Amino acid sequence: GQQVMQIPQYQHVQEGEDFTTYCNSSTTLSNIQWYKQRPGGHPVFLIQLVKSGEVKKQKRLTFQFGEAKKNSSLHITATQTTDVGTYFCAGSNTGGFKTIFGAGTRLFVKA
Amino acid sequence: SAVISQKPSRDICQRGTSLTIQCQVDSQVTMMFWYRQQPGQSLTLIATANQGSEATYESGFVIDKFPISRPNLTFSTLTVSNMSPEDSSIYLCSVRSGGQPQHFGDGTRLSIL
Repeated sequence: GQQVMQIPQYQHVQEGEDFTTYCNSSTTLSNIQWYKQRPGGHPVFLIQLVKSGEVKKQKRLTFQFGEAKKNSSLHITATQTTDVGTYFCAGSNTGGFKTIFGAGTRLFVKA
Repeated sequence: SAVISQKPSRDICQRGTSLTIQCQVDSQVTMMFWYRQQPGQSLTLIATANQGSEATYESGFVIDKFPISRPNLTFSTLTVSNMSPEDSSIYLCSVRSGGQPQHFGDGTRLSIL
């Protein structure tokens, strides 16, 4: 079945450093979503990417969808302590209605 | 996006008992899902709640253990039956309509003693 792999599992950074998490699917995706879950909270939707090669930015966050629509990345520039949490990617197959979540990358930011 | 109200937000239950979790959405949605998230883990799909018919369960989850109802397009319940400590987890309701992304309720934090 479809699998969505996400790395790294954990990342410790010093405040101000950059951070990137990567997501790779075993099959071509129709779209990919990114979520952030703060400690003790629930997943909060950040963005959805649909087009091959798409790049979207939200302030210090840059999201990319690969040309083959099988991989994606989230890059945070100059991390802040408010960026702490777990970032999940989630993908859906073409025609599928189920969303498969990656394992998540837990980000720790040291002030 | 839709406002999703999930309750209870947390509960502590005795083993062998059952708990029903409710999910109410402020607008009609096409798809409703139930997920489980164990501590420090990702989200695992339990089932898709189908309006007016039996839910579609994922591998490893069965109706006898996790009965689900969805009487209309804005409401669903998940029951965790005959609970054991292994059922201690966060249970999350999620909704989606059309090509829109999924959104989650606040979750129910369940502990079984």
